[in-house]
Amino acid sequence: KQEVTQIPAALSVPEGENLVLNCSFTDSAIYNLQWFRQDPGKGLTSLLLIQSSQREQTSGRLNASLDKSSGRSTLYIAASQPGDSATYLCAVSGNYGQNFVFGPGTRLSVLP
Amino acid sequence: EAGVAQSPRYKIIEKRQSVAFWCNPISGHATLYWYQQILGQGPKLLIQFQNNGVVDDSQLPKDRFSAERLKGVDSTLKIQPAKLEDSAVYLCASSSRGGGRYGYTFGSGTRLTVV
Repeated sequence: KQEVTQIPAALSVPEGENLVLNCSFTDSAIYNLQWFRQDPGKGLTSLLLIQSSQREQTSGRLNASLDKSSGRSTLYIAASQPGDSATYLCAVSGNYGQNFVFGPGTRLSVLP
Repeated sequence: EAGVAQSPRYKIIEKRQSVAFWCNPISGHATLYWYQQILGQGPKLLIQFQNNGVVDDSQLPKDRFSAERLKGVDSTLKIQPAKLEDSAVYLCASSSRGGGRYGYTFGSGTRLTVV
């Protein structure tokens, strides 16, 4: 059974810092991995989708990498801003197209 | 394109009452999901529809939860009777194809508080 963990559970940084969020999964036989952002009381907004054949995806100040063999993904946020404050969740889908399994999320606070 | 629509945004009910949530997916998306997200946890899949058929409802508490997707478009999730532990955000998502081969698009969710 696939299990997804995210470290740290919470993170507080001053504005302008570069930061890394981590996601680990127990079964490396995944089809793809998706990073989401969730603002308090809101739904999930898709940030990046990485296919299993890819190593990374970039969108603006965000860069997500994937290492299937080690069961890890990282989300890199450059030059953080207060508006980046939110919970970031990763989710992985199985190699046979099974539905996404979500991690518990990392709650990020960027202080002005 | 229009996103996934959900209503209501918030609902407060007493335990043992019933409640229903509505979801309209992105036009043309055949697959629709209902997730339950308890505070501090990641979303947990309750049920997956492919068109108007159920693909996976293994984690749906069928003694109190029910869901339908008539005509393969919008969907309703019902809880009857509600328990305190049902307090959560109920998220609807849709995808153009089933499983995890394509990304999901989520709605804004319905926050349910059972008192």
